Amino acid sequence: AQKVTQAQTEISVVEKEDVTLDCVYETRDTTYYLFWYKQPPSGELVFLIRRNSFDEQNEISGRYSWNFQKSTSSFNFTITASQVVDSAVYFCALSENTGNQFYFGTGTSLTVIP
Amino acid sequence: SAVISQKPSRDICQRGTSLTIQCQVDSQVTMMFWYRQQPGQSLTLIATANQGSEATYESGFVIDKFPISRPNLTFSTLTVSNMSPEDSSIYLCSVVETGVYNEQFFGPGTRLTVL
Repeated sequence: AQKVTQAQTEISVVEKEDVTLDCVYETRDTTYYLFWYKQPPSGELVFLIRRNSFDEQNEISGRYSWNFQKSTSSFNFTITASQVVDSAVYFCALSENTGNQFYFGTGTSLTVIP
Repeated sequence: SAVISQKPSRDICQRGTSLTIQCQVDSQVTMMFWYRQQPGQSLTLIATANQGSEATYESGFVIDKFPISRPNLTFSTLTVSNMSPEDSSIYLCSVVETGVYNEQFFGPGTRLTVL
């Protein structure tokens, strides 16, 4: 079974629109960590955020915000006022307390149209 | 955060040859990993590179095809052996810094094309 599901394969938005990228996870651990990474066309993976399972506070960093809902096992990522530079593939990932493996979703390819 | 470099950044290789990818970290880390990202796909863990012992491979990956070395806490190599076009991927090295939170950092990747 897929531990991290990103149902949106591709999203296109017009510049300045808001966009939300969905992430649903599955784990039996009570302690776990959730991540979002950005992979621009150049290929490197850029760490965006980490959230542990005990901290359900939503976080805002500039135009980025994250909504962590344990009740629905979701960790969604919203970009406000999108820009062309936001065009990239975004990966959600889960790290469980047992073991060191990171489980990645299949990624959402975001295209921001000028 | 750890700074990770990889060599080469990209290569084009002939079928049947082998390529060794190097991963260098600017600090000592306990955990180092190798991932493969096939075109348009997500990341798949190949193996955990263990310092001083054999790497731990994930299902579907074997040592004969992907031998890994980790001679110390800052360096690892991954060899892609007897390459075929199906091996064309981005290969990424990553490290985990374990503290209050687990945090994983990735190298810039090696983009491999096999003809």
